[in-house]
Amino acid sequence: ELRESGPGLVKPSDTLSLTCSVSGVSLTYTTYYWGWIRQSPGKGFEWIGSIHYTGSAYYNPSLQRRFRLSVDTSKNQFSLRVTSVNVTDTAVYFCVRQWGLVDEYFQQWGQGTLVTVSS
Amino acid sequence: EIVLTQSPGTLSLSPGERVTLSCRASQSINNNFLAWYQHKPGQPPRLLIYGASKRATDIPDRFSGSGSGTDFTLTVSRLEPEDFAVYYCQHYDTLPMTFGPGTKIEIK
Repeated sequence: ELRESGPGLVKPSDTLSLTCSVSGVSLTYTTYYWGWIRQSPGKGFEWIGSIHYTGSAYYNPSLQRRFRLSVDTSKNQFSLRVTSVNVTDTAVYFCVRQWGLVDEYFQQWGQGTLVTVSS
Repeated sequence: EIVLTQSPGTLSLSPGERVTLSCRASQSINNNFLAWYQHKPGQPPRLLIYGASKRATDIPDRFSGSGSGTDFTLTVSRLEPEDFAVYYCQHYDTLPMTFGPGTKIEIK
């Protein structure tokens, strides 16, 4: 199971931090990558980035460099940090389990957490 | 960036009917790196198909995927009540991975 946690409301220009807690499977399973996807009314589903338990990460080149992924294997969690948020970052954020680096489909999704950017 | 287009946007159908959904890519997708997901309100998206035609674990065989290059389809041979949802395609050929806008299957 994947479960997102984080603030539901963030002010413009603030930093957003979301965490995904993983249960039932080890974050250190070699094949898997772990990622974040968001869904907003205006842009549909948008892949943000993916990370391996080793810390190797890659990101959507279409996005600004405001997004950063990290892993905490001791807690079996991974996280997303978004700096300088703006209203266009308002979306439902999903954490996902990705099969691998080549077969980049998403086998498992969290329930999603709604993040609203508003003053 | 590969742009995926799905058609139609919405379908009104009855249980028991057969349906074929289309996903068209703005450029050829290599290695059939295309997946399909089902999404219902309040639930996480569910992987149905990967590699254009391979069913994911525990997916009923009424779901099938086909296609290559720029044209892909998802077929549901006989709609069950639980199949009314939104269906998305996603490619994973090049970065960034992108999704189609979805096709909603609603009950007629």
